[in-house]
Amino acid sequence: DGGITQSPKYLFRKEGQNVTLSCEQNLNHDAMYWYRQDPGQGLRLIYYSQIVNDFQKGDIAEGYSVSREKKESFPLTVTSAQKNPTAFYLCASGTFSGNTIYFGEGSWLTVV
Amino acid sequence: AQKVTQAQTEISVVEKEDVTLDCVYETRDTTYYLFWYKQPPSGELVFLIRRNSFDEQNEISGRYSWNFQKSTSSFNFTITASQVVDSAVYFCALSEPSVSNDKIIFGKGTRLHILP
Repeated sequence: DGGITQSPKYLFRKEGQNVTLSCEQNLNHDAMYWYRQDPGQGLRLIYYSQIVNDFQKGDIAEGYSVSREKKESFPLTVTSAQKNPTAFYLCASGTFSGNTIYFGEGSWLTVV
Repeated sequence: AQKVTQAQTEISVVEKEDVTLDCVYETRDTTYYLFWYKQPPSGELVFLIRRNSFDEQNEISGRYSWNFQKSTSSFNFTITASQVVDSAVYFCALSEPSVSNDKIIFGKGTRLHILP
């Protein structure tokens, strides 16, 4: 099936640990995005990438890192520097500028 | 600055009533795109509509309709004869490709409750 796959769906992290959220798409989209959503809040952009080996910071990039080594993959690492990492993380992808972006099912990250 | 405002945080209506969700945007560019997404309880955002800044025609898709007015910088969404399955959080979003380099900015969303 075509689409955007995020894994894991649920993840628990101990304080001080880094964790990586996976995002894979088979839609042949050039652009990929990571958003964070806090309970009852809107979506905030963490990082985005328009092309392989290139990415830009969004509005809340501190404490996060990404890589874009393959067109299909855009993993997000939540580092120990992120003070409040508990949230719902959404990955999205799209084609050229201004075109629609489509979302994965999201990943819930909880710090324990 | 690029900005999307959804002033209605939460709305409750009784099933079969019509409901309108408001979206007001700010943009520096003449070329931009507006979107609406639905987020059901499962969490995934579902695309509903995309509109470019040069097309002010209203659009209707079944019970859904959208009113785009550049004069008031608004892109409102109306659900006619609402159903319980319409209960979700709805997000309006804005993209300015030439100004913000592919950033897509979302409003804070409106949580819609359709009561049986």
